Amino acid sequence: GEDVEQSLFLSVREGDSSVINCTYTDSSSTYLYWYKQEPGAGLQLLTYIFSNMDMKQDQRLTVLLNKKDKHLSLRIADTQTGDSAIYFCAESMSGNTPLVFGKGTRLSVIA
Amino acid sequence: DAGVTQSPTHLIKTRGQQVTLRCSPKSGHDTVSWYQQALGQGPQFIFQYYEEEERQRGNFPDRFSGHQFPNYSSELNVNALLLGDSALYLCASSLRGAAAQQYFGPGTRLTVT
Repeated sequence: GEDVEQSLFLSVREGDSSVINCTYTDSSSTYLYWYKQEPGAGLQLLTYIFSNMDMKQDQRLTVLLNKKDKHLSLRIADTQTGDSAIYFCAESMSGNTPLVFGKGTRLSVIA
Repeated sequence: DAGVTQSPTHLIKTRGQQVTLRCSPKSGHDTVSWYQQALGQGPQFIFQYYEEEERQRGNFPDRFSGHQFPNYSSELNVNALLLGDSALYLCASSLRGAAAQQYFGPGTRLTVT
């Protein structure tokens, strides 16, 4: 069955890098996503990666995918207080199939 | 370009009542998916609508039903509300056949008392 696991909390100092990790079980997952949710808000798509890629970089965000270990990570460089939020890892088999989410990692940035 | 919009923002209902939530997809999108997010949890897929038909459904009872209109907007209906239906209901829109990008609305916070 499908399952996505994330650590629940991460605390970093402003200016440091944050690394949020995720593992998934469905080897047929084609797309892997990172969403950000601020308090009382919906989900903001940060980035996604195809399963045939190892890495994707977008400004301060770097996504690494280890398909063999079914491990996905999101690195945020120069973390700012505005990055404090809950980050969700999600997977899907295709662009039109449902997203399967983890429980989210709450990132706290200490000034 | 308007993103995904949902209404209402908040709603309080009593057990046993019925509720209707509404979603307008992002301009150019034709597919709408609904998710339920309980407190402290990740979103759970309810169902997806495309061409006015339910195409996929998650593990939710028949009390949850939906509809999609010709303009691609969608409604989520929940009958016989239970306390456990209290959650944030999120709508996501996408363009079928395009690369995988589902955009979420701000959600409707439903409280059942």
